[in-house]
Amino acid sequence: LAKTTQPISMDSYEGQEVNITCSHNNIATNDYITWYQQFPSQGPRFIIQGYKTKVTNEVASLFIPADRKSSTLSLPRVSLSDTAVYYCLVGPNDYKLSFGAGTTVTVRA
Amino acid sequence: SAVISQKPSRDICQRGTSLTIQCQVDSQVTMMFWYRQQPGQSLTLIATANQGSEATYESGFVIDKFPISRPNLTFSTLTVSNMSPEDSSIYLCSVEDSGRWKNYEQYFGPGTRLTVT
Repeated sequence: LAKTTQPISMDSYEGQEVNITCSHNNIATNDYITWYQQFPSQGPRFIIQGYKTKVTNEVASLFIPADRKSSTLSLPRVSLSDTAVYYCLVGPNDYKLSFGAGTTVTVRA
Repeated sequence: SAVISQKPSRDICQRGTSLTIQCQVDSQVTMMFWYRQQPGQSLTLIATANQGSEATYESGFVIDKFPISRPNLTFSTLTVSNMSPEDSSIYLCSVEDSGRWKNYEQYFGPGTRLTVT
């Protein structure tokens, strides 16, 4: 499984856009990039998944450059309730999810 | 999306005892998984619970320590045996959703917070 590197923590304010970049230099051809969100005292929740270019859903956008060696999760206009740990996972679409350390995003008023 | 419940939500246990954690899903699923999340750490996959066969354990986890049952397609249990303080963690179960036209994703239960004294 490809190793991922993402910032340990990020601070933001309500209404701002938060961008979390994940590095995955050793990504394989059949690997997908998936992001999960975990609130305190809850299990992780799937946010978004992509293979290349850009993917957008009602929660976030995922930007993947052509070389796929990194990806950026974009959270538009965050609110206090977006305070959570965000995990970047890279691997084939199978059950072996490999969670790294994650990025703790703190949104302040 | 699947709705998953776990029992108990938390427990405090004495070392040397065992605790069985239950995971219930509101729909039939093929694969169920058990994870451990140690304090302040990320999640680690313990095993895959297979219906009708033995669980498949990841490296570093053994059946004697973490026996798993999967009696049907909506239920599984994980037992943490002969507990020590190092077993203090959050234990989470999850199920997969790999419908043909969907992204591959897993749905997680709320977790069971275990403290061993």
